[in-house]
Amino acid sequence: DSGVTQTPKHLITATGQRVTLRCSPRSGDLSVYWYQQSLDQGLQFLIHYYNGEERAKGNILERFSAQQFPDLHSELNLSSLELGDSALYFCASSGITGAEQYFGPGTRLTVT
Amino acid sequence: DQQVKQNSPSLSVQEGRISILNCDYTNSMFDYFLWYKKYPAEGPTFLISISSIKDKNEDGRFTVFLNKSAKHLSLHIVPSQPGDSAVYFCAASAKLNQGGKLIFGQGTELSVKP
Repeated sequence: DSGVTQTPKHLITATGQRVTLRCSPRSGDLSVYWYQQSLDQGLQFLIHYYNGEERAKGNILERFSAQQFPDLHSELNLSSLELGDSALYFCASSGITGAEQYFGPGTRLTVT
Repeated sequence: DQQVKQNSPSLSVQEGRISILNCDYTNSMFDYFLWYKKYPAEGPTFLISISSIKDKNEDGRFTVFLNKSAKHLSLHIVPSQPGDSAVYFCAASAKLNQGGKLIFGQGTELSVKP
């Protein structure tokens, strides 16, 4: 158990809908990262938040957004969903050194 | 542009023998390298890491070697055990310039046979 929690574990929704994925980092970690794992793209970095502030963005679609709240949990919002958004979404957290990242169990999103 | 590459999609090893997983990278700005193990339907689990100022790091049965001139790293597992069967990902980061995001290879599926 990494100490990072993600909800929900599975999500099935229709095209055009909007969903919110939630992540709670390990106790004391200020950084939260979001990654997407699809079959053909592997694990891809989406976005990084540190203590409530956005620090870095990867190839995140404009339909996707994230935020980190004062209690340090983070939410990833995916809107106008398309079939190609079906993937595993992982969040990870890291401590002050920012070296090792610890991953949650992931949310499997299926868009039908 | 794949900056981190694991050219072997799979590897099969006999229990008790050494497993060697390889990883190549192209970005010379990477300063930290990590190996993760992943079971199906679970998140990646951190195994071992190495800073670019070192060429070797050891933790129990796991050793990571870094050859900066060749832009190559490898993970050695000795002795291999059936429970080591999983997908292994190498990852790299350039903390100073890119805020610590990890760039992952495509993974190598290790199968350790009893």
